Amino acid sequence: KQEVTQIPAALSVPEGENLVLNCSFTDSAIYNLQWFRQDPGKGLTSLLLIQSSQREQTSGRLNASLDKSSGRSTLYIAASQPGDSATYLCAADTGFQKLVFGTGTRLLVSP
Amino acid sequence: DGGITQSPKYLFRKEGQNVTLSCEQNLNHDAMYWYRQDPGQGLRLIYYSQIVNDFQKGDIAEGYSVSREKKESFPLTVTSAQKNPTAFYLCASSISGAYNEQFFGPGTRLTVL
Repeated sequence: KQEVTQIPAALSVPEGENLVLNCSFTDSAIYNLQWFRQDPGKGLTSLLLIQSSQREQTSGRLNASLDKSSGRSTLYIAASQPGDSATYLCAADTGFQKLVFGTGTRLLVSP
Repeated sequence: DGGITQSPKYLFRKEGQNVTLSCEQNLNHDAMYWYRQDPGQGLRLIYYSQIVNDFQKGDIAEGYSVSREKKESFPLTVTSAQKNPTAFYLCASSISGAYNEQFFGPGTRLTVL
């Protein structure tokens, strides 16, 4: 059974820092890996989707990488801003778009 | 504006009552999903539907029911058989097929009194 883990559970950084969020999964047979952002009490916003054949995807200050063989994905946020404060979730697509989610990393960027 | 709407935003229910959560999308997506989110846990899949008039159980379907009579709509009923229904419920949709992103609605917070 696929299990997804995110470390750290919480992270606090000063504005301007570059940071990395980690996501690991136990079964490398995934179709894609999706990163989301969730603000308190809100739904999820899709940030990036990496297909299983891809190594990375970029959108603005965000870069996500995927290493299926080691069961790991990372989300890199450059030049962090207070508006980046949110919970970041990763999810592995195990087939038929059935997503298995990690428990998230709660990020706080202070001015 | 294209998107996914969920209503109501907050819902209160007495024990023993059934309640239905609404999910509507105008993205022309074939697939729709219901997830449950509890504090400190990841989202868990309740039901999903790849096409109209067809749906499959997810990991935690007990105590829930769904219907998919229209492409745009995928309502979720939380029945009295669900032992711990207080949670945040999220609906999502996507184009069917591999490698397609799921897009989420704003969620409904259900509280059982």
